[in-house]
Amino acid sequence: AQTVTQSQPEMSVQEAETVTLSCTYDTSESDYYLFWYKQPPSRQMILVIRQEAYKQQNATENRFSVNFQKAAKSFSLKISDSQLGDAAMYFCAYRSARTSYGKLTFGQGTILTVHP
Amino acid sequence: AAGVIQSPRHLIKEKRETATLKCYPIPRHDTVYWYQQGPGQDPQFLISFYEKMQSDKGSIPDRFSAQQFSDYHSELNMSSLELGDSALYFCASSPRYVKYEQYFGPGTRLTVT
Repeated sequence: AQTVTQSQPEMSVQEAETVTLSCTYDTSESDYYLFWYKQPPSRQMILVIRQEAYKQQNATENRFSVNFQKAAKSFSLKISDSQLGDAAMYFCAYRSARTSYGKLTFGQGTILTVHP
Repeated sequence: AAGVIQSPRHLIKEKRETATLKCYPIPRHDTVYWYQQGPGQDPQFLISFYEKMQSDKGSIPDRFSAQQFSDYHSELNMSSLELGDSALYFCASSPRYVKYEQYFGPGTRLTVT
């Protein structure tokens, strides 16, 4: 079974600064997807960024980028120019590519606080 | 753009009662997933349906059942409710040809007293 670990229960950053959230995972599969989801106080789950394991290039979405290290099974999220609206719980998630309808396995989450 | 719709948004039930949660996926999405998120926890996968057939099953109690209907909406039925069932229940859907993406609904907050 796959497991996802987020070792930082809480992180904080100053507005306009950069912060990196860590995520490691364990799997015996070679083809899979990794995601970062944001959960603000409204509790809505919002997809931030996606990485396909077969792609060597790190995914980027505006101020959000990932550092995907497949051999190390590491998948960190970097938020640049942090904004107050980035404050939320962030979940790292794994999805197998073995089936067409794979479930998401989430990490424990990291609470991000943004200070003005 | 249309989003996943869940109803009701909030539900309060007593122990041993029954609850039914509904999920309406985004149009042209044929796969539905149910997740349970307890207080301070990460979402846990319960069950999924693809083209009205159960496609995967997670840690769903035997007291819970679910199905997907011909219009692709799904219902999660929960019987003999326990205090520990109090949680946020998410439904997510995937489009027919981009299955790795799951779009989440706003969730149903179930409180069992």
